[in-house]
Amino acid sequence: GNSVTQMEGPVTLSEEAFLTINCTYTATGYPSLFWYVQYPGEGLQLLLKATKADDKGSNKGFEATYRKETTSFHLEKGSVQVSDSAVYFCALSALGSARQLTFGSGTQLTVLP
Amino acid sequence: NAGVMQNPRHLVRRRGQEARLRCSPMKGHSHVYWYRQLPEEGLKFMVYLQKENIIDESGMPKERFSAEFPKEGPSILRIQQVVRGDSAAYFCASSPGGTPGVDTQYFGPGTRLTVL
Repeated sequence: GNSVTQMEGPVTLSEEAFLTINCTYTATGYPSLFWYVQYPGEGLQLLLKATKADDKGSNKGFEATYRKETTSFHLEKGSVQVSDSAVYFCALSALGSARQLTFGSGTQLTVLP
Repeated sequence: NAGVMQNPRHLVRRRGQEARLRCSPMKGHSHVYWYRQLPEEGLKFMVYLQKENIIDESGMPKERFSAEFPKEGPSILRIQQVVRGDSAAYFCASSPGGTPGVDTQYFGPGTRLTVL
C-alpha cells in the first residue's frame, strides 16, 4: 500500500536558520507529492506540490524536489521566520488510488526569535 | 472566491447523540473528501464523494458513520451514537476533478468534535 514517512518532530530553530524536513514515500505507480501546512487551530493549506520526477515545487521561500531514485520529497527553506511556526504534512496521491491523499504524521516546527 | 466552508467549527456531543458535520466545497468543485485527524496524528482518509455518489468509502468505519453529497446543498458527514473515541478534527476537502493523482485538494478549516 501507499505510505509516507516524515521526520520525527518537534523541530525548534532560531529565526533565519536553515530548515530541512525529510519525507520519503512508498507508492504504487508514480504519485504526485504535496506539502501542506497547518497553523494552530486552522485547516491545512497547500504549500507546494510536484507531479513528476525531478519537478521542484516552490512557494513562500519553501522548496521540495521530487526524487524518484530515493523516493523522497524533502522540504527546505533557507531562512525561516517566526511566522513559519506550524505543523507540516507531507502527502501523496497515487494514480489508481481513487484520489485519496495519504499523509505523513506531521512535523511540528517552532521558530524562536 | 470563497474557500471550502465547514460548519460548525466546534461541536460538543454527549455519548450516544448524533453529530452532523457540513461541508460546502469551493465554487466549481464537484469532488469532496472527508478526513479525520486524531490528536497528535496525521490525517486519515475517510470517504470521497461526487454529487449524489459515494466513490470511495474505504476509510469509513463500518458502523455509525455515513456521508452524502446531495444534488443541492452541502456534503454531510453523519456520526450516529457517538463515542469518546470519535473525538477528533474532521476536515473536508474539495477538488475540481482533474486527472487522478494530479488533482489538487483544498481543505476547509475543520470541525472539532468533542464527545463528553
